[in-house]
Amino acid sequence: QSVLTQPPSVSAAPGQKVTISCSGSSSNIGNKYVSWYQQLPGTAPKLLIYENDKRPSGIPDRFSGSKSGTSATLGITGLRTGDEADYYCGTWDTSLHTGVFGGGTKLTVL
Amino acid sequence: QLQLQESGPGLVKPLETLSLTCTVSSGSISSTNYYWVWIRQPPGKGLEWIGCIFSSGTTFYNPSLRSRFTISVDPSRNQFSLEVTSVTAADMAVYYCARGKSGIDDFDVWGQGTMVTVSS
Repeated sequence: QSVLTQPPSVSAAPGQKVTISCSGSSSNIGNKYVSWYQQLPGTAPKLLIYENDKRPSGIPDRFSGSKSGTSATLGITGLRTGDEADYYCGTWDTSLHTGVFGGGTKLTVL
Repeated sequence: QLQLQESGPGLVKPLETLSLTCTVSSGSISSTNYYWVWIRQPPGKGLEWIGCIFSSGTTFYNPSLRSRFTISVDPSRNQFSLEVTSVTAADMAVYYCARGKSGIDDFDVWGQGTMVTVSS
């Protein structure tokens, strides 16, 4: 059971928009930055969003992040088949004194 | 650009000790702006944060794993390591090392990962 809760899967058609939610609590998302990771099949995770809504160099603006209270959301617009991957949210938990991840969301581009 | 590379045995026997090393290249492991993390992923499952170490030597561990896991750092070799005692089938996973930003807690650089199989 993950500390952060994500939907197991989401799907949408090419060109459409999708959002992935990440729910936590006041000891993690509520007062810490959230980051998002993309894991393509057979590869290591890659940082997609940091500090809730910032994109590292090289990440297209089709990817966006937001945070409100104890929840965070990853948005992807203009979906492409190459976006099919597992997506994870992550943050620090101040009660557990540990890093925590969501269970991951599998994105299917139909 | 800083790179991370995991190394260690791909196969360990049950109840033995697993030792993995992460080598940092094109950057210093002694930077106070970052810390160093081990994360694992069992086959077909999600990411599990194992623990981290700061350049000061301070460590934090996943409370559910702490008693069998030890992270250490060797600044002279620009490496940090993970030791897991009394391994079981539940420890079978791809083990990743990564760099974390202090105070921000995102992982901006990852190793490629190393698969560890537990079998006699």
